[in-house]
Amino acid sequence: EPEVTQTPSHQVTQMGQEVILRCVPISNHLYFYWYRQILGQKVEFLVSFYNNEISEKSEIFDDQFSVERPDGSNFTLKIRSTKLEDSAMYFCASRRTSGRNTQYFGPGTRLTVL
Amino acid sequence: QKEVEQDPGPLSVPEGAIVSLNCTYSNSAFQYFMWYRQYSRKGPELLMYTYSSGNKEDGRFTAQVDKSSKYISLFIRDSQPSDSATYLCAMSTNTFQGAQKLVFGQGTRLTINP
Repeated sequence: EPEVTQTPSHQVTQMGQEVILRCVPISNHLYFYWYRQILGQKVEFLVSFYNNEISEKSEIFDDQFSVERPDGSNFTLKIRSTKLEDSAMYFCASRRTSGRNTQYFGPGTRLTVL
Repeated sequence: QKEVEQDPGPLSVPEGAIVSLNCTYSNSAFQYFMWYRQYSRKGPELLMYTYSSGNKEDGRFTAQVDKSSKYISLFIRDSQPSDSATYLCAMSTNTFQGAQKLVFGQGTRLTINP
């Protein structure tokens, strides 16, 4: 069964460093998402991406964040200058159609900012 | 008032019991309702998907949506120790123009005791 994959599974970085989190969505899916989950808190929406552009972004998704689909398979989240409060699990999700809103999540990347 | 509210538990029941999990919400524009299961430090796994009001059954799982009360439920029959996980409710609006971000509840941590 096709699944969303994410790399790395765990990323440790120093405050102020740039990180890139990578995702390979399910191959025939059209909508892509990033969510994050701070330890013990809700899963929160960050950004959605469709037709090579951002569809919607949350207040969390400020100028330090960017997303890209550099080729036909990868979907990346870049954090330009990491802060301590960026430490969280980051989940990529994808969805196939414009109607039924079934989003499938990857296993997540645990980001630790020191 | 929070957009989606879910009792975080923890909830502990004996094997074989019927489990009832629920969420309330405030946004009457929500049309899609989902339940995800999340094991510790893993990504959310889609369990049930419901559009608008009504019931949906899949094996031991039944999802109910009552839009008039803004209340959704997940029932697990004949619960098994392998059902031990955190259960997240999630919902979204029905805007075909947009990418339909998911809004999650806090998650209920469930333990099934053998």
